[in-house]
Amino acid sequence: SQTIHQWPATLVQPVGSPLSLECTVEGTSNPNLYWYRQAAGRGLQLLFYSVGIGQISSEVPQNLSASRPQDWQFILSSKKLLLSDSGFYLCAWKSYRRDTGELFFGEGSRLTVL
Amino acid sequence: SQQGEEDPQALSIQEGENATMNCSYKTSINNLQWYRQNSGRGLVHLILIRSNEREKHSGRLRVTLDTSKKSSSLLITASRAADTASYFCARRNQGGKLIFGQGTELSVKP
Repeated sequence: SQTIHQWPATLVQPVGSPLSLECTVEGTSNPNLYWYRQAAGRGLQLLFYSVGIGQISSEVPQNLSASRPQDWQFILSSKKLLLSDSGFYLCAWKSYRRDTGELFFGEGSRLTVL
Repeated sequence: SQQGEEDPQALSIQEGENATMNCSYKTSINNLQWYRQNSGRGLVHLILIRSNEREKHSGRLRVTLDTSKKSSSLLITASRAADTASYFCARRNQGGKLIFGQGTELSVKP
């Protein structure tokens, strides 16, 4: 069966510090991968998606970047965090074989920037 | 906005009552999906309805879709305290990406 892991689960970082959130998917090959951000009490905003190694599409210009060094690995990064980067970050995957678009989410990483 | 809009934003009911949440969207879809999110957790897929379907059932969940009105509803029958969560509708845009609404926060009181 397929599993998705995100870490760290919780992170408190000062403004201007770097960020690295990691997401890994097991049990499937060539998944489509996604990073969403959820502000408190709000819906999900799509940040990045990837259809393969090294292939990253950005949805919203911002202070963040994403990389996919391995088929099963998706990393969200920042060189210098802003207060507005605080939020709940969710990684998700979708089988490239299925056209229906059902997403499977990780448990999320809560980032607080102080 | 490309996002779906859920209505109401918050809903509080007693255990045993039915809960109805609505979702509207603006552009054409090939399917619409509903997800559930427990507080502080990831989202879990509940049900998918295709554009050529009008109604779908899964256990205590019933989803309807009216493409002429660009709206969908999620009905949870005989609600339980464990149904307390946020519920989101999501649709695929033309680029194939899933766009989520703002969600309905459901509270079921025992």
